[in-house]
Amino acid sequence: GAVVSQHPSWVICKSGTSVKIECRSLDFQATTMFWYRQFPKQSLMLMATSNEGSKATYEQGVEKDKFLINHASLTLSTLTVTSAHPEDSSFYICSASQTSRQRTSGRVYEQYFGPGTRLTVT
Amino acid sequence: LAKTTQPISMDSYEGQEVNITCSHNNIATNDYITWYQQFPSQGPRFIIQGYKTKVTNEVASLFIPADRKSSTLSLPRVSLSDTAVYYCLVGAALFGGYQKVTFGIGTKLQVIP
Repeated sequence: GAVVSQHPSWVICKSGTSVKIECRSLDFQATTMFWYRQFPKQSLMLMATSNEGSKATYEQGVEKDKFLINHASLTLSTLTVTSAHPEDSSFYICSASQTSRQRTSGRVYEQYFGPGTRLTVT
Repeated sequence: LAKTTQPISMDSYEGQEVNITCSHNNIATNDYITWYQQFPSQGPRFIIQGYKTKVTNEVASLFIPADRKSSTLSLPRVSLSDTAVYYCLVGAALFGGYQKVTFGIGTKLQVIP
């Protein structure tokens, strides 16, 4: 099946610094990737939709200047948390959708999720 | 995007069948129903997807009544490793086959030995 990886799996940074998280689709091309954030004991919250070659679309309440998203290729999207603060500490998860030509699983609409990145800001 | 409602939590003994029902009264004609499983500190994992009637795969069954306003995920003979949060998602492609979905609170299933 389709595999999505994230790097790093966990990161600790100091307040005020920036952190970059990578999301890669390993065996398929993903024109669209999604970024989620999940706080402890809460559900996933969609942050933004990342489109290859164009600007990301951010959900209401998500600061686009703080969470920079770059989808430079069909297999890589990055999320940069700028000037991180302790309240940005969370579990960040990306997902990717296959293009319709590549769907071989029989599932009509599916997102493949990465393993997540645990960010701790001290 | 259709809103979904699920029980917050469920307990079950090992070996029993577990049924988790999700309500989605505002489901649209083009919407599909997808269930994901999430373990702590991991990304969600696809379980099953359906549009209507019944779908079965190697891990679960999905029952969808004719009006499609609800769906039931059935896990046969659960084991301790099935302890996880289960999410019911409803959605369709916005454009080009790319699905934007909203996660509900999910159902935390606790399997008891």
